[in-house]
Amino acid sequence: AQKITQTQPGMFVQEKEAVTLDCTYDTSDQSYGLFWYKQPSSGEMIFLIYQGSYDEQNATEGRYSLNFQKARKSANLVISASQLGDSAMYFCAMRDGSTNAGKSTFGDGTTLTVKP
Amino acid sequence: DAGVIQSPRHEVTEMGQEVTLRCKLISGHNSLFWYRQTMMRGLELLIYFNNNVPIDDSGMPEDRFSAKMPNASFSTLKIQPSEPRDSAVYFCASSLDRGKPQFFGPGTRLTVL
Repeated sequence: AQKITQTQPGMFVQEKEAVTLDCTYDTSDQSYGLFWYKQPSSGEMIFLIYQGSYDEQNATEGRYSLNFQKARKSANLVISASQLGDSAMYFCAMRDGSTNAGKSTFGDGTTLTVKP
Repeated sequence: DAGVIQSPRHEVTEMGQEVTLRCKLISGHNSLFWYRQTMMRGLELLIYFNNNVPIDDSGMPEDRFSAKMPNASFSTLKIQPSEPRDSAVYFCASSLDRGKPQFFGPGTRLTVL
């Protein structure tokens, strides 16, 4: 069965600093996708970044990068040069690529607060 | 391109009434997910469809909940009869293919009095 673990319920970071949000996963599937979503206080779920299980390079999208360590089954999100607008809940998620017709699992989320 | 469209955005109803939430997928996407989010339980997957076929409905709370995909681009989630504990934000999300990310709609905030 799939499982996503986010061990940090809350994180604080100083504006302009970098922050790492932890995510570990478990799956028996060989093909899968890993994702991060941002949910600001307004409530919408915003897709940030995607990493495929066969991708050899870590994914990057602007100030977001995904530190993918397949052997350790971790997919940490790194936000560089934090901004006040980065304050939000962040969810790590995965989706099977071959079995279970693409079942999806989300972690419990990490609340990030950026301090001025 | 338009994103996932959900309606209504807000719904206030009384206990016992039927509630229907609607979702229009992103054109070309073939997977559809319904989620419920509350402070107490977080984000819960209710049901998901692949190519219009329900694949896993184990997250549907009980028989009062039902979901359909009458065509490839549209889905409904129905609660009948509604109860106060159904109050939550209901998200619909669509995806292009297995292993690929989901894109969420803006959500429907349901309040059952």
